[in-house]
Amino acid sequence: QVQVVQSGAAVKKPGASGKVSCKATGHSFNTFGINWVRQAPGQGLEWLGWINPKNGNTKYAQPLQGRITVTTDTSTTTAYMELRSLRSDDSAVYYCVITVTTNSLVYWGQGTLITVSS
Amino acid sequence: YELTQPPSVAVSPGQTAKITCSGDVLTQQFAYWFQQKPGQAPLLVIYRDTERPSGIPERFTGSSSGTTLTLTISGVQAGDEAAYFCQSSDSSGSWVFGGGTMLTVL
Repeated sequence: QVQVVQSGAAVKKPGASGKVSCKATGHSFNTFGINWVRQAPGQGLEWLGWINPKNGNTKYAQPLQGRITVTTDTSTTTAYMELRSLRSDDSAVYYCVITVTTNSLVYWGQGTLITVSS
Repeated sequence: YELTQPPSVAVSPGQTAKITCSGDVLTQQFAYWFQQKPGQAPLLVIYRDTERPSGIPERFTGSSSGTTLTLTISGVQAGDEAAYFCQSSDSSGSWVFGGGTMLTVL
């Protein structure tokens, strides 16, 4: 069983950067596809980006290009998502979502609330 | 949203709920269904269009026909009340979601 544990909630000022971590255990880290998804209060799910921890390849949602960076540290089986130049409409719960590529099962982290407020 | 879902579905306990998800990408890529209860992270209930993870009741089944995916919940229980989201990928590999369907158990 894959376990996904994310960092805690944070409050950021407009223009600042925010970084969320996601530690995944229970299966080989190199068999994961790691996606980041956010959900604004009362809204649906928005895909933000993806990383393949085996080779570091990334892909980002077009609206966030230039503001988002997703990385991994294979030594600690941890993924990171950094969003820069934060705005009030970036306030949301951010989820780390792990797909095990060998069997297509999908596991979500518990979510991290990022609030952008002056 | 690239995938279209009805905003809400309401059924009485014991009845069958059907939630649809439509989109052109569904003819090319597998799709997934997630259940989300208030204050919780989404939970996988169907993957690869029709497969059910261990621990998900057999009451949950998925089917696919052309550009439409259907999640069927038989013998609906009060605990099934939740938002349900479908998810797939476009031709570039970017994830796409449906807007979500709120299942209400009357």
